[in-house]
Amino acid sequence: EPEVTQTPSHQVTQMGQEVILRCVPISNHLYFYWYRQILGQKVEFLVSFYNNEISEKSEIFDDQFSVERPDGSNFTLKIRSTKLEDSAMYFCASRSDSNNQPQHFGDGTRLSIL
Amino acid sequence: AQSVTQLGSHVSVSEGALVLLRCNYSSSVPPYLFWYVQYPNQGLQLLLKYTSAATLVKGINGFEAEFKKSETSFHLTKPSAHMSDAAEYFCAVSAGQGFQKLVFGTGTRLLVSP
Repeated sequence: EPEVTQTPSHQVTQMGQEVILRCVPISNHLYFYWYRQILGQKVEFLVSFYNNEISEKSEIFDDQFSVERPDGSNFTLKIRSTKLEDSAMYFCASRSDSNNQPQHFGDGTRLSIL
Repeated sequence: AQSVTQLGSHVSVSEGALVLLRCNYSSSVPPYLFWYVQYPNQGLQLLLKYTSAATLVKGINGFEAEFKKSETSFHLTKPSAHMSDAAEYFCAVSAGQGFQKLVFGTGTRLLVSP
């Protein structure tokens, strides 16, 4: 069964550094999402992306965050200047254009900011 | 706006016992409802979904959930727990079609004892 893949599985970065998290959505999917889960907390929506533009973003998704679909397969989340509170598990999800289809999630990238 | 409340951060059952994980939702529009399971160090796997068709929804691994509009509930059940069911379970709601984001509950950790 097709799946969403995320790399790396674990990223350790110094505070203030830029980080790029990568995702390869399922190939025929058209809607893309990023969520994050701070340790011990619930999964929170960050941003949704459709037709090469952001369709919705949460208040968490401030100017330090950006998303991009640089080619036909990858979907990236960039954090420009990381903060300690950015430490979390980041999940990518994708969904097809068909009605009633659920979002499929990757295994996540654990981001640790030192 | 949508929200989800999961009662009980931890639920403990014996192997072979009934599993009942509670989820109540709030939605200003007809909701789509989902249950996801998260095993340690893994991503979110879809268990089942309700998208305005049958109110009793069957999912993978013997789980099912019933949508009750009058009670705004979508509780997850399994007749007989197995050790492999031990995981974190998340209920989520979305506003329906299109690129709508998922809003997650805080999760319920299911513990299964021999």
